[in-house]
Amino acid sequence: GAVVSQHPSRVICKSGTSVKIECRSLDFQATTMFWYRQFPKQSLMLMATSNEGSKATYEQGVEKDKFLINHASLTLSTLTVTSAHPEDSSFYICSANAGGADEQYFGPGTRLTVT
Amino acid sequence: GQSLEQPSEVTAVEGAIVQINCTYQTSGFYGLSWYQQHDGGAPTFLSYNALDGLEETGRFSSFLSRSDSYGYLLLQELQMKDSASYFCAVRDRGQNFVFGPGTRLSVLP
Repeated sequence: GAVVSQHPSRVICKSGTSVKIECRSLDFQATTMFWYRQFPKQSLMLMATSNEGSKATYEQGVEKDKFLINHASLTLSTLTVTSAHPEDSSFYICSANAGGADEQYFGPGTRLTVT
Repeated sequence: GQSLEQPSEVTAVEGAIVQINCTYQTSGFYGLSWYQQHDGGAPTFLSYNALDGLEETGRFSSFLSRSDSYGYLLLQELQMKDSASYFCAVRDRGQNFVFGPGTRLSVLP
């Protein structure tokens, strides 16, 4: 099956710094990737849809200037959390569809802790 | 608006059968998916229903009734490793998925 990787798996940063999370599709090309956020014992909340070669589409309530998304190639999307604060601490997960398929392939997630 | 409802918790014993229900209200509907997520891990795909009826994949089956905006995941011959959270998700537009709140399944020995 399709494989999606994320890096880093865990990151601890100080308040006010920026953190970049990478999401890669390893064995398929993904024109669209999705970024989710998940708080403990809660569901996945879609933050934005990342489209290769164009601007990301953000869900209502998600600050595009705080969560910068870049989809530079068909296999790589990045999420940068700028000026991170403790309330940004969460589990961030990316996913991708393999060519319009109905199944989403999820990366292993990145646990961000802002101190 | 978009809303999906699932029971928050379900408990069953090994070898039993469990059904996790999902009702949805979304602006669009292309299909209903089910995902399993173990603590600390990423969701993994279990099944997808675009049409009414039952889809069977090994011990897991998924059902959809579009007229009732309802579906369920059926887990048979429960094993301890099935203890996890289960999410239904509706593909509402394009390739976007809206996830339900999740059902935490605990399998007891």
